[in-house]
Amino acid sequence: AQSVAQPEDQVNVAEGNPLTVKCTYSVSGNPYLFWYVQYPNRGLQFLLKYITGDNLVKGSYGFEAEFNKSQTSFHLKKPSALVSDSALYFCAVRGDTGFQKLVFGTGTRLLVSP
Amino acid sequence: GAVVSQHPSRVICKSGTSVKIECRSLDFQATTMFWYRQFPKQSLMLMATSNEGSKATYEQGVEKDKFLINHASLTLSTLTVTSAHPEDSSFYICSARVGNIQYFGAGTRLSVL
Repeated sequence: AQSVAQPEDQVNVAEGNPLTVKCTYSVSGNPYLFWYVQYPNRGLQFLLKYITGDNLVKGSYGFEAEFNKSQTSFHLKKPSALVSDSALYFCAVRGDTGFQKLVFGTGTRLLVSP
Repeated sequence: GAVVSQHPSRVICKSGTSVKIECRSLDFQATTMFWYRQFPKQSLMLMATSNEGSKATYEQGVEKDKFLINHASLTLSTLTVTSAHPEDSSFYICSARVGNIQYFGAGTRLSVL
């Protein structure tokens, strides 16, 4: 069965500092990995994905994520955090065989302080 | 990216009434749409997969008679919460897949009094 773990309920970082939001996964077959961001009372906005190719994936708003197959991880990163990055971040995975559902982690709240 | 429009964004209704939520793909055709429910401070729970022109596939534990899904066209799926009760109050989000990416609507906050 597919699963996603986001071990941190909340990550606090000062503006201008680098940020990391952790994600590990388990899936049958090769993973399709995604990061989404959710602002209060809004749906999810797509940030970036890993399907194949380079392990370092760049996405929207300066975010990037690194796929690590041996550690089954897909951590989200940004070199310099902004206060406006404060939101709820979800990691998601689905396998590449057949029609597999997208499975989400429990979310990590990012709080960037001025 | 692709745009998924969801309406209404917020609805308040009395217990026992039915509420319909619409999900439209604005710039693409979606043979499959997904309906999720999100409880406060929790992740998204897939309720059902909506298939154009056929019956929806419901996840285990989701009452198909309470949560009616209709996907009559390639750009519109609807979720009707029938005989709503306070425990149905939640945030409902629809989604559609374009290629490998799922795009989400802005969500509907349902409050049942």
